[in-house]
Amino acid sequence: ELKVEQNPLFLSMQEGKNYTIYCNYSTTSDRLYWYRQDPGKSLESLFVLLSNGAVKQEGRLMASLDTKARLSTLHITAAVHDLSATYFCAVDINFGNEKLTFGTGTRLTIIP
Amino acid sequence: EAGVAQSPRYKIIEKRQSVAFWCNPISGHATLYWYQQILGQGPKLLIQFQNNGVVDDSQLPKDRFSAERLKGVDSTLKIQPAKLEDSAVYLCASLRVAEPYEQYFGPGTRLTVT
Repeated sequence: ELKVEQNPLFLSMQEGKNYTIYCNYSTTSDRLYWYRQDPGKSLESLFVLLSNGAVKQEGRLMASLDTKARLSTLHITAAVHDLSATYFCAVDINFGNEKLTFGTGTRLTIIP
Repeated sequence: EAGVAQSPRYKIIEKRQSVAFWCNPISGHATLYWYQQILGQGPKLLIQFQNNGVVDDSQLPKDRFSAERLKGVDSTLKIQPAKLEDSAVYLCASLRVAEPYEQYFGPGTRLTVT
């Protein structure tokens, strides 16, 4: 059974600081997704990582994938308040059926 | 392009009652998913449809949950009878079948069972 673990589960950061969220998964996969969820809202797609060594950046967020280590990271640079949200990684191990297994989520709070 | 539509947005029922949720996917998306998201957890897949056929319902509690997608477009998820532990947000998603094969999520239905 595929397990997807994120850490930390909760993160409070000061504005302007850098931090990294980690996503570990238990089964080989070449396809990993990052989503953002604001309180009471649905999931918004942030990044799709499709191969080993993939790196994508959007604004203050950068995601990377190491399929050999079964690890993805979401790095936050110079955090600002509007990045406060819950971030989920999701793994697809069954390319063709496109079924996602989600991590536990990381609740990020940016403190002024 | 219109997004995934869901209704109702909120529903409060008593245990042992029944409830139904509706989803309309993005036009042209043949694959549709229903997820259950319990407060503080990630979404968990309940059922996956390809057109009007079920691809995977292995995590659907079939003694009380049912889902259908009769014409390969809209879908309905039903719970009968509801239990307290069914309180959750029910998310519908549809799949863009082209790289990078992203799932697009609807706004969800928040169910509270009292």
